[in-house]
Amino acid sequence: DAKTTQPNSMESNEEEPVHLPCNHSTISGTDYIHWYRQLPSQGPEYVIHGLTSNVNNRMASLAIAEDRKSSTLILHRATLRDAAVYYCIPYYSNYQLIWGAGTKLIIKP
Amino acid sequence: EAGVAQSPRYKIIEKRQSVAFWCNPISGHATLYWYQQILGQGPKLLIQFQNNGVVDDSQLPKDRFSAERLKGVDSTLKIQPAKLEDSAVYLCASSHNAGGQDTQYFGPGTRLTVL
Repeated sequence: DAKTTQPNSMESNEEEPVHLPCNHSTISGTDYIHWYRQLPSQGPEYVIHGLTSNVNNRMASLAIAEDRKSSTLILHRATLRDAAVYYCIPYYSNYQLIWGAGTKLIIKP
Repeated sequence: EAGVAQSPRYKIIEKRQSVAFWCNPISGHATLYWYQQILGQGPKLLIQFQNNGVVDDSQLPKDRFSAERLKGVDSTLKIQPAKLEDSAVYLCASSHNAGGQDTQYFGPGTRLTVL
């Protein structure tokens, strides 16, 4: 089965950048990489996605390795509201959607 | 734009009872997903619909779980009979289509407790 590997948890100070890594070594050339986050007691929400090149939006940046076997979600200035579980999900072309346990991001004031 | 609606928000039942959850996706979204999220774990996809057809139900325990999406809009997920291990949050999500670029929008979930 396809699998992603993320750290169980990470800590960061408020207003500092955060780099959340994800390994997805079984991804194929046409599979997009999606990131979602889940705040406590809420459903997941979309953060960003990409295929090959790096992507930016108002929430975050996504850096994708040249071999596409890993990616990094970058929050440029973390706030307390960014404390959540972050999921990296390769969107497999055969429609498989497999979510791992994600990374719990803790923001220290 | 209205989001994904789910009801009920909470449900407590005894084991061996039946329960049903309802989901209304975002208007115009062809793809609908049901996930099960056990405490401390990531969501697990149970079933994915494209319009009113099933795309993937490989992780749906078909001996006790069933789902339908009549007319390609609303959907219901049923558990009959429930077991203790079914205690979880059931999340519904929808997306415009099922392509790799499509974003999923999630509802608030239904928290099920089986006693």
